[in-house]
Amino acid sequence: DAKTTQPPSMDCAEGRAANLPCNHSTISGNEYVYWYRQIHSQGPQYIIHGLKNNETNEMASLIITEDRKSSTLILPHATLRDTAVYYCIAGSNNAGGTSYGKLTFGQGTILTVHP
Amino acid sequence: GAVVSQHPSRVICKSGTSVKIECRSLDFQATTMFWYRQFPKQSLMLMATSNEGSKATYEQGVEKDKFLINHASLTLSTLTVTSAHPEDSSFYICSASQGTEAFFGQGTRLTVV
Repeated sequence: DAKTTQPPSMDCAEGRAANLPCNHSTISGNEYVYWYRQIHSQGPQYIIHGLKNNETNEMASLIITEDRKSSTLILPHATLRDTAVYYCIAGSNNAGGTSYGKLTFGQGTILTVHP
Repeated sequence: GAVVSQHPSRVICKSGTSVKIECRSLDFQATTMFWYRQFPKQSLMLMATSNEGSKATYEQGVEKDKFLINHASLTLSTLTVTSAHPEDSSFYICSASQGTEAFFGQGTRLTVV
């Protein structure tokens, strides 16, 4: 899996948009960009993933640059409950199979949402 | 999204005993599941890949005889920590994938005393 680089920490005011950047300059063509978050003492929660196109769901938006070397996760209206560690992961299918679960976690970004 | 459930969520055991952790995919079948370990203030580290009906694949440095994995059905994988020691105390997390998405269990906090 390609290595990803994220800032160690970020702050955001409640109600504002949180924009979390991620660099993945060595990403290969078949690797998706995944975003997960982990609230203390819980398992990671899936947020969103994408390959080339920008994606949006009920939780967030994912903006992937045209060259796919970086991406930004956007939480449009951050709340206090969004305080968590956010992980950006570049992952592909497992050894040519169909399972996309083998993920390499970096240190992530600690997002703190303050009132 | 799909639901992955782990049991127990928390366990305390005596040194030298074995502990079994279950990971279930509740609403989908998973031929492959993954086991991770997370020490305090660290990120998740992949331990092994659990394959239904075949042997698990372990990451480098993970002792297969200590961390026994069984994936006997398409919805259940188990991790048994054998002869647990205090240094095995950690947060164990499983995941299963559906399509191109991977979903995680809530984790099991193991404390060996």
